Amino acid sequence: TQLLEQSPQFLSIQEGENLTVYCNSSSVFSSLQWYRQEPGEGPVLLVTVVTGGEVKKLKRLTFQFGDARKDSSLHITAAQPGDTGLYLCAGEGDSSYKLIFGSGTRLLVRP
Amino acid sequence: EAGVAQSPRYKIIEKRQSVAFWCNPISGHATLYWYQQILGQGPKLLIQFQNNGVVDDSQLPKDRFSAERLKGVDSTLKIQPAKLEDSAVYLCASSFWTGELFFGEGSRLTVL
Repeated sequence: TQLLEQSPQFLSIQEGENLTVYCNSSSVFSSLQWYRQEPGEGPVLLVTVVTGGEVKKLKRLTFQFGDARKDSSLHITAAQPGDTGLYLCAGEGDSSYKLIFGSGTRLLVRP
Repeated sequence: EAGVAQSPRYKIIEKRQSVAFWCNPISGHATLYWYQQILGQGPKLLIQFQNNGVVDDSQLPKDRFSAERLKGVDSTLKIQPAKLEDSAVYLCASSFWTGELFFGEGSRLTVL
C-alpha cells in the first residue's frame, strides 16, 4: 500500500515568515500534485511535478520533487494570511492511475 | 465552465439509517472519484470510475457502501446502514482522464 506522510501536521506562523512543508513516502510516484483546501471547499490544484529533481515556482511558492520521486517539499516565502489553509500532497502511482493523498499540513498565518 | 456539483451539502442522520449523495462531474470528464475526508485528515479514495466502469474500489466498505455511475456521467454514493465512524465530508472529483482533479464542495455527513 502506498502511503504519503506530511510534516508538520500543523504550523502556525507570523506573516512574513518562511516555511517548508514536507511530503514523504517509501514508494515511487510517477507524478506528485500539491493542493490547497480552504474550509468548506474542495481541494484546488496548485502544481504538478513529474520529473525527479524538478523544481517549480508559483509566485512565492516553490515546489520540489525528490530525485528518486519518493518525496516532495513546498516552500513558502514571506507567508501571508491568504496562504492559510490545508496543504495536501497527492501521488499518482507508478503502475496505476490512483491518486493517493497525504495526511495534510494545516497552515495558519497570523497577521 | 460549470464545476463539479454535489448534493446535499449537509446531511444529519441517525446510525443505522441510510443516505445517498449525488455528484455531477464536469462535462466531458471521463474519470470520477469519491473520496472520504474525516476531520483533520487527507482525503481517502473510496472508488474511482473510468466512464461507467470501476477502476478501483479497494477501500470501499462494500458491506455498507455502494456507488454507481450510470451512463458514465453523474454518480451516486450510498451508505446503508450508516455507522458513527462514517461521519465525514464526502468529496466528489472528476478529471479529463488522469492528471488534475477538480473537486466539488463536498457533502458533510453527521451520523448521530
